[in-house]
Amino acid sequence: LAKTTQPISMDSYEGQEVNITCSHNNIATNDYITWYQQFPSQGPRFIIQGYKTKVTNEVASLFIPADRKSSTLSLPRVSLSDTAVYYCLVGVSSGGSYIPTFGRGTSLIVHP
Amino acid sequence: KAGVTQTPRYLIKTRGQQVTLSCSPISGHRSVSWYQQTPGQGLQFLFEYFSETQRNKGNFPGRFSGRQFSNSRSEMNVSTLELGDSALYLCASSLGSGVGISGSPLHFGNGTRLTVT
Repeated sequence: LAKTTQPISMDSYEGQEVNITCSHNNIATNDYITWYQQFPSQGPRFIIQGYKTKVTNEVASLFIPADRKSSTLSLPRVSLSDTAVYYCLVGVSSGGSYIPTFGRGTSLIVHP
Repeated sequence: KAGVTQTPRYLIKTRGQQVTLSCSPISGHRSVSWYQQTPGQGLQFLFEYFSETQRNKGNFPGRFSGRQFSNSRSEMNVSTLELGDSALYLCASSLGSGVGISGSPLHFGNGTRLTVT
């Protein structure tokens, strides 16, 4: 089964822009790409979702190339409260089955 | 609007026992899906229920089962517990059926922490 891969960790400073990329070679044709944020002792929280091109909401942007084999979550001007683990979620087709698959998560630490 | 509620928050069980976890979705959400989160394997999809029917299932053994009731509340059962079943079990609800396909974002509860000794 193809993996959904993302960097294990990233460091940034307050006010900077952070870009986290997820690779998903076997993404299902009809599947959305979704990103979640998770704090310790909490369930993941929805950040943004897209199917193709670029999506922007009040907290983030999501860039998806034409082949949809990767996606990049962009967090503008991060603050200390953005320190969390970020997960991408896509559906992966394999042998006739479809499995929603999370990346292993990117631990983002924002420094003062 | 109340969020997704999972009970209990913590559970300690012994190998060989069985356990049932409960999930109450956001009002109006008819899809409930379950996930296992461990440091070693990360977040893994267990199954999804919509309108009391299992719509999709992940790669877990048959010891893991679930069901959904007419009020959309869901339970997950794990029989013959193994040490490796120790994990955080997360439930999520959404408006549409089909995790990832429907375009409906998942709303997660804070999980049940299961420890198997």
